[in-house]
Amino acid sequence: ILNVEQSPQSLHVQEGDSTNFTCSFPSSNFYALHWYRWETAKSPKALFVMTLNGDEKKKGRISATLNTKEGYSYLYIKGSQPEDSATYLCAFPPHNNAGNMLTFGGGTRLMVKP
Amino acid sequence: DSGVTQTPKHLITATGQRVTLRCSPRSGDLSVYWYQQSLDQGLQFLIQYYNGEERAKGNILERFSAQQFPDLHSELNLSSLELGDSALYFCASSVGQGTWYEQYFGPGTRLTVT
Repeated sequence: ILNVEQSPQSLHVQEGDSTNFTCSFPSSNFYALHWYRWETAKSPKALFVMTLNGDEKKKGRISATLNTKEGYSYLYIKGSQPEDSATYLCAFPPHNNAGNMLTFGGGTRLMVKP
Repeated sequence: DSGVTQTPKHLITATGQRVTLRCSPRSGDLSVYWYQQSLDQGLQFLIQYYNGEERAKGNILERFSAQQFPDLHSELNLSSLELGDSALYFCASSVGQGTWYEQYFGPGTRLTVT
């Protein structure tokens, strides 16, 4: 059974703080690693899809890194804002020959206080 | 707005009944995915279709079935409903079927079985 683990489960930070969280996945048979942002009462929205070891991707104040050899990805948010409050999910396709079936982690719930 | 539409938004039905959830993918997307999110669980992959063909299958119950039509919209049929089927059902779509394509999620259908 594929295990995608995210830590911490939840995080409370003050506006302006920078923060990061972790996604751990099996390092064997890596195909891709997805990050999604899920705001309350909305639907998940893709942030990044990462495919290469050492990949770094950035979108505004949010960036992510990938280490496929050791099986982890970090998501960083620089200068958190209240609108960054959301659950951040990572997801991992367990097979390369099974379409784009994703196994999601439990998420990190970020709350940014003004 | 992701461009993925789902109907209905809410559905309340009784145990033993059958319902159909509908999804229209983003224009140009050939893959459609169905996910279930129950109260005590994260996002669970159910099934993926690509251009009308089943492409990947998760832990979808035998009471559940899906199809993708020639116009690429998809329907998820849930029958002999049980209380435990109450959940938020998301549809997502992507351009292609591979693991490197990000998925665009619809607003979800909240199913309540009483």
